[in-house]
Amino acid sequence: AQKITQTQPGMFVQEKEAVTLDCTYDTSDQSYGLFWYKQPSSGEMIFLIYQGSYDEQNATEGRYSLNFQKARKSANLVISASQLGDSAMYFCAMRETIGGFNAGKSTFGDGTTLTVKP
Amino acid sequence: KAGVTQTPRYLIKTRGQQVTLSCSPISGHRSVSWYQQTPGQGLQFLFEYFSETQRNKGNFPGRFSGRQFSNSRSEMNVSTLELGDSALYLCASSLAGITEAFFGQGTRLTVV
Repeated sequence: AQKITQTQPGMFVQEKEAVTLDCTYDTSDQSYGLFWYKQPSSGEMIFLIYQGSYDEQNATEGRYSLNFQKARKSANLVISASQLGDSAMYFCAMRETIGGFNAGKSTFGDGTTLTVKP
Repeated sequence: KAGVTQTPRYLIKTRGQQVTLSCSPISGHRSVSWYQQTPGQGLQFLFEYFSETQRNKGNFPGRFSGRQFSNSRSEMNVSTLELGDSALYLCASSLAGITEAFFGQGTRLTVV
């Protein structure tokens, strides 16, 4: 069964500094997708970045980058130049395939609450 | 391009009642999945539909059901509501497979 582990319940970072949010995963699938989402207090789940298991290069989207280490089964999110608006809960997730068919089930970690300090 | 739309945004129901939540996916997306989020259990997968067929189901009782229409819009139904069903219900749409899934703003259900 798929499992996502986020070991940091809460993180603090100074505005304009970079921060790394940890994520490790466990799967026996060869083909999977890894995602990070941001959930502000409003509740909406905002897609940030995606990494496919066969992608050789780390994904980047603006200030977000995903440090993908397949052998270690880790997919850490790096936020550069933190902003006050980055304060939110961050979830790491994995989508799996089942029996050769594409499936839409995502497994989520417990999340990391990021607080950006001015 | 319009995002994922969930209606209603907020709902208050009484124990024993039933409720139907709606999700309109991004145009062209055929996969819709539903999640329940509570402070104690985190985000839990309910089920996923693709082209009107349920392809995957989480570990929830039969009171939770869903369907998908030919236009990919999906509904989720919860019958005989219990206090523990109070949660944020999130719907996500994707093209298919392991591509990125985009979420709606959620429906916050309160059972009293």
